[in-house]
Amino acid sequence: GEDVEQSLFLSVREGDSSVINCTYTDSSSTYLYWYKQEPGAGLQLLTYIFSNMDMKQDQRLTVLLNKKDKHLSLRIADTQTGDSAIYFCAATGTASKLTFGTGTRLQVTL
Amino acid sequence: DGGITQSPKYLFRKEGQNVTLSCEQNLNHDAMYWYRQDPGQGLRLIYYSQIVNDFQKGDIAEGYSVSREKKESFPLTVTSAQKNPTAFYLCASSQRVAGFPYNEQFFGPGTRLTVL
Repeated sequence: GEDVEQSLFLSVREGDSSVINCTYTDSSSTYLYWYKQEPGAGLQLLTYIFSNMDMKQDQRLTVLLNKKDKHLSLRIADTQTGDSAIYFCAATGTASKLTFGTGTRLQVTL
Repeated sequence: DGGITQSPKYLFRKEGQNVTLSCEQNLNHDAMYWYRQDPGQGLRLIYYSQIVNDFQKGDIAEGYSVSREKKESFPLTVTSAQKNPTAFYLCASSQRVAGFPYNEQFFGPGTRLTVL
């Protein structure tokens, strides 16, 4: 089955850019997603990218997809303290399922 | 105001007791899901349902049971057979279109279950 991996932790200073990375194994994944989870809450969809795209930009968020290497990244420009959260990468799996990564905890310091 | 509700937010149970977690959605979504979240392990799929009166096991179904008698409701029972039930449980729903792989899932706020 699909396997999605992320690093567990990232610390950045306020105002810097954050880059969160993700790798996946199933090359047939057609959609890849980034979700954000604030402490003690559910997940919210931040953005997604279709597999025939290399890049998608949405305000401060930029998603890059390298299909050859099965690598996805999320760049957050001008990171703010409100961006502190856990970020999950997810890939479309079989049937109705999504496969989620382990999540990357982003800590924003002053 | 559409969304997914889970209740209660915090739940405490004694070891050996079954417990049922509630999940309700008013988004008119066909598909619903239950995930378990443990620190450093991401989300693991317990059960999912694509339509009323039908559901499938996910990756970690042992010790859990579900029902889907109504479109808007997908309760999860954590049985005494689940060896390590203390975790954060998340319910989600999505509207699937046949043959279209896009699957944005909408999540509830979660229930934190602690077994004493």
